[in-house]
Amino acid sequence: AQSVTQLDSQVPVFEEAPVELRCNYSSSVSVYLFWYVQYPNQGLQLLLKYLSGSTLVKGINGFEAEFNKSQTSFHLRKPSVHISDTAEYFCAVSLNTGFQKLVFGTGTRLLVSP
Amino acid sequence: EAGVAQSPRYKIIEKRQSVAFWCNPISGHATLYWYQQILGQGPKLLIQFQNNGVVDDSQLPKDRFSAERLKGVDSTLKIQPAKLEDSAVYLCASSLFLAGVADTQYFGPGTRLTVL
Repeated sequence: AQSVTQLDSQVPVFEEAPVELRCNYSSSVSVYLFWYVQYPNQGLQLLLKYLSGSTLVKGINGFEAEFNKSQTSFHLRKPSVHISDTAEYFCAVSLNTGFQKLVFGTGTRLLVSP
Repeated sequence: EAGVAQSPRYKIIEKRQSVAFWCNPISGHATLYWYQQILGQGPKLLIQFQNNGVVDDSQLPKDRFSAERLKGVDSTLKIQPAKLEDSAVYLCASSLFLAGVADTQYFGPGTRLTVL
């Protein structure tokens, strides 16, 4: 079975500073990897996904993530955060088969202060 | 393009009562998912439909939870009877299914259930 570990439950950062949200996964077979963002009282929105090919994936709102197979990691980065990036971020994994059953991590709350 | 619609947005019930949630997916999306998100945790898949057939319901507590997707469009999720531990946000998502692969999942705003 697949699993996802998000090492930080909360990450405080100042506006315009860089940020990295960490994600490690466990799987014995090839997987797809995802990052979702959840703003207060809203559903989840896809930031980016890795299916295959280039290990550096660029997403919306200036976010990017790098797939590292040897370290089984898929860390999310942004070079300069804004107040509006304050939200909950979820890493997720699915098998690379037809029916995309997502397994989510417990989430990381990003708190951006002025 | 309209997103995934869910209702109600909030529901408060007493334990042992029944409750139902409704989801209208994005038009044309064959795959529909129901997730349970308990406070402080990531969403957990309860059931997945492909058109009106169930693909995966391995984590659905079938003694109290049921779901249906008649006509392969709208879906309802029911809890009967509710327990305190069912307090959570229930998220519905949908996706296209192209060439044998489910595409990106789009989520609705969720229904926040509080069981007293």
